[in-house]
Amino acid sequence: GAVVSQHPSRVICKSGTSVKIECRSLDFQATTMFWYRQFPKQSLMLMATSNEGSKATYEQGVEKDKFLINHASLTLSTLTVTSAHPEDSSFYICSASRQGSNTGELFFGEGSRLTVL
Amino acid sequence: LAKTTQPISMDSYEGQEVNITCSHNNIATNDYITWYQQFPSQGPRFIIQGYKTKVTNEVASLFIPADRKSSTLSLPRVSLSDTAVYYCLVGGWAGNTPLVFGKGTRLSVIA
Repeated sequence: GAVVSQHPSRVICKSGTSVKIECRSLDFQATTMFWYRQFPKQSLMLMATSNEGSKATYEQGVEKDKFLINHASLTLSTLTVTSAHPEDSSFYICSASRQGSNTGELFFGEGSRLTVL
Repeated sequence: LAKTTQPISMDSYEGQEVNITCSHNNIATNDYITWYQQFPSQGPRFIIQGYKTKVTNEVASLFIPADRKSSTLSLPRVSLSDTAVYYCLVGGWAGNTPLVFGKGTRLSVIA
């Protein structure tokens, strides 16, 4: 099946610093990628839709200036958590759909656990 | 976006068949039904997808009635390694519509 890879899988940073998480589709092209956030014992919450070559679409309540998304190519989307604070500590997961698919199947990355001290 | 409702949790003994039902009363004509499995600290993993009737693969079966307002994921002879959260999602591709996760069903398999 299609593979989506995230990096890093774990990151610890100090409060006030910025952290970048990469999401790559390894064997297919993804015009659209999605970023989710998941807190312990909770479901995945959609943060934003990342579109190649255009601005991301953010869900209500998600600060676009804090969570910067860049989708510069058909295989790479990045999420940058700017000026991170302890409340941003969470599990961030990206997903992608194979370009041209009409079934809505999403392929998910392994997730990136962010801990802000 | 069609909303889904699933039981919060289920318990089962090893070797039993487990059926998890999901309600999606507002499913649209072009929506597919997809089930994902998630282990702790991992991204969700695709299990099975269907549009209507029955779909079977090497790990599960998916039963969808004619009205498509619900679906049932059937896991045959579960093992301890099937302990996970199972999510039912409904959606399709109309302008890059994302999939929205419900609360999922936490399945605990007991020896």
